[in-house]
Amino acid sequence: DADVTQTPRNRITKTGKRIMLECSQTKGHDRMYWYRQDPGLGLRLIYYSFDVKDINKGEISDGYSVSRQAQAKFSLSLESAIPNQTALYFCATMRPDNTEAFFGQGTRLTVV
Amino acid sequence: DAKTTQPPSMDCAEGRAANLPCNHSTISGNEYVYWYRQIHSQGPQYIIHGLKNNETNEMASLIITEDRKSSTLILPHATLRDTAVYYCIVRVAGWETSGSRLTFGEGTQLTVNP
Repeated sequence: DADVTQTPRNRITKTGKRIMLECSQTKGHDRMYWYRQDPGLGLRLIYYSFDVKDINKGEISDGYSVSRQAQAKFSLSLESAIPNQTALYFCATMRPDNTEAFFGQGTRLTVV
Repeated sequence: DAKTTQPPSMDCAEGRAANLPCNHSTISGNEYVYWYRQIHSQGPQYIIHGLKNNETNEMASLIITEDRKSSTLILPHATLRDTAVYYCIVRVAGWETSGSRLTFGEGTQLTVNP
């Protein structure tokens, strides 16, 4: 099994719909992250969480919310999807000594 | 975190060494150099990191200049599967949460040719 699992892998949704992207990890790490990647660009940080009670906004959090349901689970929500949120979304977890991050395989989201 | 500069693209022949440069002239004394790679829209994969000494693992070698203002990632025998975007990231390591955010630039697209 993968260390970090994202569901769904692909999703097409309509403008204005609420959608949730889910992430679970088996590494047992407290630190989890959501990133967004647009074509030809690097990853940008949306939200990050250092533990179940510690959630922080990243550089592009507007239009997104998150929920840390357990150490292993970190969900990203788009309350009202818009077309410019069409992107590839990655979840990650980090070792507590900050030496290595583990990424999921990504969720390709299309908002039409 | 210190800013990094990488060439946008590089080519390498299969079986030859791939040498990917990274400039980080504003690096601080407590910042490490990390390398990740992303193979065609997959999640990024950690490769290696170092502070000031050269480092080697089963994937690659990292050479950091004595003044720490630049580094080179070396893939000793590149294969077609090494075609990917390579990201050089500089940040504080350790157990503090302040060092746990990864900031990605646009990286170097390495293409390994047969």
